Amino acid sequence: TQLLEQSPQFLSIQEGENLTVYCNSSSVFSSLQWYRQEPGEGPVLLVTVVTGGEVKKLKRLTFQFGDARKDSSLHITAAQPGDTGLYLCAVPTGGFKTIFGAGTRLFVKA
Amino acid sequence: DARVTQTPRHKVTEMGQEVTMRCQPILGHNTVFWYRQTMMQGLELLAYFRNRAPLDDSGMPKDRFSAEMPDATLATLKIQPSEPRDSAVYFCASGLDRGNQPQHFGDGTRLSIL
Repeated sequence: TQLLEQSPQFLSIQEGENLTVYCNSSSVFSSLQWYRQEPGEGPVLLVTVVTGGEVKKLKRLTFQFGDARKDSSLHITAAQPGDTGLYLCAVPTGGFKTIFGAGTRLFVKA
Repeated sequence: DARVTQTPRHKVTEMGQEVTMRCQPILGHNTVFWYRQTMMQGLELLAYFRNRAPLDDSGMPKDRFSAEMPDATLATLKIQPSEPRDSAVYFCASGLDRGNQPQHFGDGTRLSIL
């Protein structure tokens, strides 16, 4: 059983559409991170959310941390082909390591 | 921007051969991580170091895999002997051991064992 469940696993949409991907768990976290991995590259951190209910915006991307700090969502407005990639949620642990979800693979068609 | 550097970027070899992957972490980072990524399993943590000391290598098959940090600028991951099921992309990441510091990933080594 994965500590972090991400949904959907795969998403293929047309340019200009909006989408939301989710990261869920039964555990409470002190913080949660979102990474994006483009083809042929390593994951890159997009944002860290810390406070329950927190909302952060990064251009067309909106990240929300659940009130109970057990889940998070990533909403993309007017998706573009450049948004194509694997979106990973992750939680830092007290042992210096980070636990990653399996990811949502997004493909945006022009 | 400082980057984690991994070599080689691609490696194709026959089963039974030794494979060595190298990683240069970002200068000043004191944690280093090795991950393996496949479509089926996603991103799996193999081993990690703090201040060059191995903290956890429970994700690694011990009979064939070994990870070391000979100095602060070099981390290595070796597979001997390699098997076709080891085919994957191997990532190294580095970071700082405090707070919510992110991990900075290299671009990976794509390994194919024939």
